[in-house]
Amino acid sequence: ETGMTQSPATLSVSPGERATLSCRASQSVSTNLAWYQQKPGQAPRLLIYGASTRATGIPARFSGSGSGTEFTLTISSLQSEDFAIYYCQQYNNWPWTFGQGTKVEVK
Amino acid sequence: QVQLQQSGPRLVKPTQTLSLTCAISGDSVSSNSLTWNWIRQSPSRGLEWLGRTYYRSKWDNDYAVSVKSRITINPDTSENQFSLQLSSVTPEDTAVYYCVGVRGGVFDYWGPGTLVTVSS
Repeated sequence: ETGMTQSPATLSVSPGERATLSCRASQSVSTNLAWYQQKPGQAPRLLIYGASTRATGIPARFSGSGSGTEFTLTISSLQSEDFAIYYCQQYNNWPWTFGQGTKVEVK
Repeated sequence: QVQLQQSGPRLVKPTQTLSLTCAISGDSVSSNSLTWNWIRQSPSRGLEWLGRTYYRSKWDNDYAVSVKSRITINPDTSENQFSLQLSSVTPEDTAVYYCVGVRGGVFDYWGPGTLVTVSS
């Protein structure tokens, strides 16, 4: 099973600042990597797939990069609605697996 | 736009069977491009994929090793829905359960989630 490790566990950022979240896979997942955002009491929502393609309706301030085992989600200028937990998920190697999440909180 | 609506008991006694149903609108449970999955989320396990059902000229299922002996996921074409049954539950099965439509490995469409508590 492919292990997904996210860092940091918690990221404290001020509104308007840039946030950079990392995800590392225990083996190559090519670019078959997705990012999800989860707010309290809600289901996760797809943000990015294919490592860098934004899902429908996702603002341009969200961007993804990386391939192989190292991936990054960048939020260019944090808005109040962006404070949430973010998960990465690989879909290259069966079974699909999720990271443990990075909580983005207000600094 | 695909929408999923979950239903089922929120409290289950230990040793009993957890049963949830996910009604699909906007697509078909017999879709050739989506698979229909159950995931659960708990503080101790995070997001844990449990299993899926899908139709590709015939019906098939895949289950997580961790629950394979206890889980059944069935499609219901007459109601355009699918179900989860998890038998012999323990308090460790307490979690929020989500039904999810997956396309090409990407978890596209999520149900609202159901908090199921296993307690006597």
